[in-house]
Amino acid sequence: GAGVSQSPSNKVTEKGKDVELRCDPISGHTALYWYRQRLGQGLEFLIYFQGNSAPDKSGLPSDRFSAERTGESVSTLTIQRTQQEDSAVYLCASSPDGSSYEQYFGPGTRLTVT
Amino acid sequence: AQSVTQLDSQVPVFEEAPVELRCNYSSSVSVYLFWYVQYPNQGLQLLLKYLSGSTLVESINGFEAEFNKSQTSFHLRKPSVHISDTAEYFCAVTNTDKLIFGTGTRLQVFP
Repeated sequence: GAGVSQSPSNKVTEKGKDVELRCDPISGHTALYWYRQRLGQGLEFLIYFQGNSAPDKSGLPSDRFSAERTGESVSTLTIQRTQQEDSAVYLCASSPDGSSYEQYFGPGTRLTVT
Repeated sequence: AQSVTQLDSQVPVFEEAPVELRCNYSSSVSVYLFWYVQYPNQGLQLLLKYLSGSTLVESINGFEAEFNKSQTSFHLRKPSVHISDTAEYFCAVTNTDKLIFGTGTRLQVFP
């Protein structure tokens, strides 16, 4: 079946602009995760959804970052007033239930802030 | 809180040589352990995992990892590497709702 998809695959934006990144999880997966991978670094957890609720937002780096999920399906990560340090690959993952033991990752969105 | 340390940022090896990628973790509670692989220009894929039971776990492409609770380690090994194993390898831990990743080890296999 189809895996996790993310769009766009690449996004170049000017500093100060807002961006929206989209994640389509595997159908039927109730849990959805966002991570960030900056150049030369590991993956940082951003936020976790169980259904449409976000019980763990602890990784969002600032109030410029927000995310929502609707219909227990698609999720959107929004970054307002982008800064150069926001440049990274943003990865989405989904899992069948609330456990993080079986996370399936999408290909990522490469965000470049100029 | 948990943390993961991958001491080697890069590991160069020749084809058919053995390799070990080191992973140490820190946690005050029991954890589950994972190795993910990211091939060039591809997404992250689960390579193997330890949840419970046998401390030695294997992947379908010849990698294995052993959970060592006393040394808080989960090193990844392969007795003979191939060119196609060239990739970035990430160790991760969890006991709750999110994975905590190490900074990754780039395995470069030379002919």
